[in-house]
Amino acid sequence: DIQMTQSPSSLSASVGDRVTITCRASQSISTYLNWYQHKPGKAPKLLIYAASSLQSGVPSRFSGSGSGTDFTLTISSLQPEDFATFYCQQSYITPYTFGQGTNLEIK
Amino acid sequence: EVQLVQSGAEVKQPGESLKISCKGSGYTFANYWIGWVRQMPGKGLEWMGIIYPGDSDTRYSPSFQGQVTISADKSISTAYLQWSSLKASDTAMYYCAIPYGSGSYSFDYWGQGTLVTVSS
Repeated sequence: DIQMTQSPSSLSASVGDRVTITCRASQSISTYLNWYQHKPGKAPKLLIYAASSLQSGVPSRFSGSGSGTDFTLTISSLQPEDFATFYCQQSYITPYTFGQGTNLEIK
Repeated sequence: EVQLVQSGAEVKQPGESLKISCKGSGYTFANYWIGWVRQMPGKGLEWMGIIYPGDSDTRYSPSFQGQVTISADKSISTAYLQWSSLKASDTAMYYCAIPYGSGSYSFDYWGQGTLVTVSS
């Protein structure tokens, strides 16, 4: 299986901050990398697919970059509704493994 | 409108069998892979497996191979996740999801989740 490692595992930030979450794959996955936001009691929500493509309806303050093994999710200016857990996922080869998650909390 | 509607919460005893469902609507069910994702209490998301209803091609994560069975009935646009003998460690929220409009086999539509509680 391809292992996905996110950092940090948790993060405290304030409204208006710029935040970056990183994701590293254990082998090259080209740009088959997706990012999800998950809030308690809700289904996960796709934010970014193919490493840098913004899912329809997702605010432009979310962006993704990277290829090969190293990827980043950036939130340019945190809004109150952004606090959640974020997951990366590789969809290069099955099993399409998730990272362990990054819990973004309000400072 | 694409929708995935999952069956309701279940409370079971260890050793019992269980089959939960995920009904798709608003799209051609047979033509899109449908996957299952587990979230154990306080833990992260785990990709369990995926099925193509058109021909029942199924891929499992090695972590779940032999532990669950994924199936689909395209005649009623429903996918299933089943256990033959539940364990307490199967207690979790289970989501179905499909890679529909976005690329990269990402899950852009999700069911609402089915909470499975296994307790004696």
